[in-house]
Amino acid sequence: DAGITQSPRYKITETGRQVTLMCHQTWSHSYMFWYRQDLGHGLRLIYYSAAADITDKGEVPDGYVVSRSKTENFPLTLESATRSQTSVYFCASRGRNSGNTIYFGEGSWLTVV
Amino acid sequence: KNQVEQSPQSLIILEGKNCTLQCNYTVSPFSNLRWYKQDTGRGPVSLTIMTFSENTKSNGRYTATLDADTKQSSLHITASQLSDSASYICVVSEKYGNKLVFGAGTILRVKS
Repeated sequence: DAGITQSPRYKITETGRQVTLMCHQTWSHSYMFWYRQDLGHGLRLIYYSAAADITDKGEVPDGYVVSRSKTENFPLTLESATRSQTSVYFCASRGRNSGNTIYFGEGSWLTVV
Repeated sequence: KNQVEQSPQSLIILEGKNCTLQCNYTVSPFSNLRWYKQDTGRGPVSLTIMTFSENTKSNGRYTATLDADTKQSSLHITASQLSDSASYICVVSEKYGNKLVFGAGTILRVKS
C-alpha cells in the first residue's frame, strides 16, 4: 500500500528558477491538496482539486500553478521561485467516502537561495 | 475570520505523566474537528475526528473531547511515552465547502 508519495523530498533552488513538486497517490482519491507549513503558522492551503481537470485556489495561491490531468497525480509548480517560498510543502488526499480523513504525504523541503 | 488557537505552544513532560492540549476555535458552523500528530520531519497523521454531536473520542492513550457550545476541544494523553514527542495539530472543518482551518500546533516533548 504505497499511499501518497511526494518528490523530491529535499530541494535547493535559486531565485527565479522554476520548480515542480510531484505528488502521487494510489487510492484513487477524488480530492487532492497542496499545503505549505511555515514556523509559527498552521498548514496553509495553496491549491486543491476535487477531481481530474478541476482545480481551485486556496488561501495562498500566488506564485504557484497546479494541474490535475490524472486522478493520481497533482504536481505543484513554482513558476519563478522566491525566497519567501522557502517552506515545507505537504500534499494530501481525501476520498469521497473516506470519512473525511485526509492523508498527508511525507513533505517536500524546499529552500530557495 | 475563522480561527483555531492552540495552547500551549510547547510543553515538556516526563515520561509516564499525563498531559492535556487545548484547542479553541471560532469556526462556525463547523462540520468536524480533528486532531493530528506530526512527528518531526514527517507528514501529519490523523488521531481522532469528531462531529459536532460527539463529546469524546479515544484512540489508545489519546482521548479527545469536544464542547461545541464553548467551541473548545482538548486532547488528553495518558501515560506519555517518548514516542509521543511530536507536534499536535487541531483542525476544524467548515460545514459548507471543503475548507479546513488549521491551528499552529502544540509541540510536545516527552523526556525520560
